[in-house]
Amino acid sequence: GAVVSQHPSRVICKSGTSVKIECRSLDFQATTMFWYRQFPKQSLMLMATSNEGSKATYEQGVEKDKFLINHASLTLSTLTVTSAHPEDSSFYICSARDEWRGGPMDTQYFGPGTRLTVL
Amino acid sequence: RKEVEQDPGPFNVPEGATVAFNCTYSNSASQSFFWYRQDCRKEPKLLMSVYSSGNEDGRFTAQLNRASQYISLLIRDSKLSDSATYLCAINNAGNMLTFGGGTRLMVKP
Repeated sequence: GAVVSQHPSRVICKSGTSVKIECRSLDFQATTMFWYRQFPKQSLMLMATSNEGSKATYEQGVEKDKFLINHASLTLSTLTVTSAHPEDSSFYICSARDEWRGGPMDTQYFGPGTRLTVL
Repeated sequence: RKEVEQDPGPFNVPEGATVAFNCTYSNSASQSFFWYRQDCRKEPKLLMSVYSSGNEDGRFTAQLNRASQYISLLIRDSKLSDSATYLCAINNAGNMLTFGGGTRLMVKP
């Protein structure tokens, strides 16, 4: 399958700092990437859809000023958690659509995730 | 009613058993359906897409029942390594997937 990487895999930071997470599609181009958040023992919740060259689309209840998304190229999307607080501690996972591979166009491939702990 | 629902389990089965999970969805206009596998503290990995005619991949069989609005995943001859959480995902419109809460499977020796 298509390969998606995320960096960093784990981050621990103090309350009030900003954390940047990168999501890269390694062997394909992705005009659309997605950012999810998963709390322990819960399912993935879509935070936002990242569109290359345009503004991200945020899900209801997700603060766009707190979770800044930039999708400047066809292989890279970044999520910045600004002024992180302990309640932002979670598993953040990105995914990307491979529009040219076989199978349904909306097949999403996930990055390995970033575990954020805010102290 | 949630858009996508799964029995959280856990389903505890012995090695070699056959086990099946269902996933119900509320939007009759849903377009695409998928099963993902997620191991503890890892990202979901695509297991298989679910096609209208049903599809099989080795020990795994996926079915779609549009009339009753559910998809199913059947695992035959369960292995210890099948222990994981199985997430269904539905695409209703556009690019977005909506995930179920996952069904946890534990295969015991």
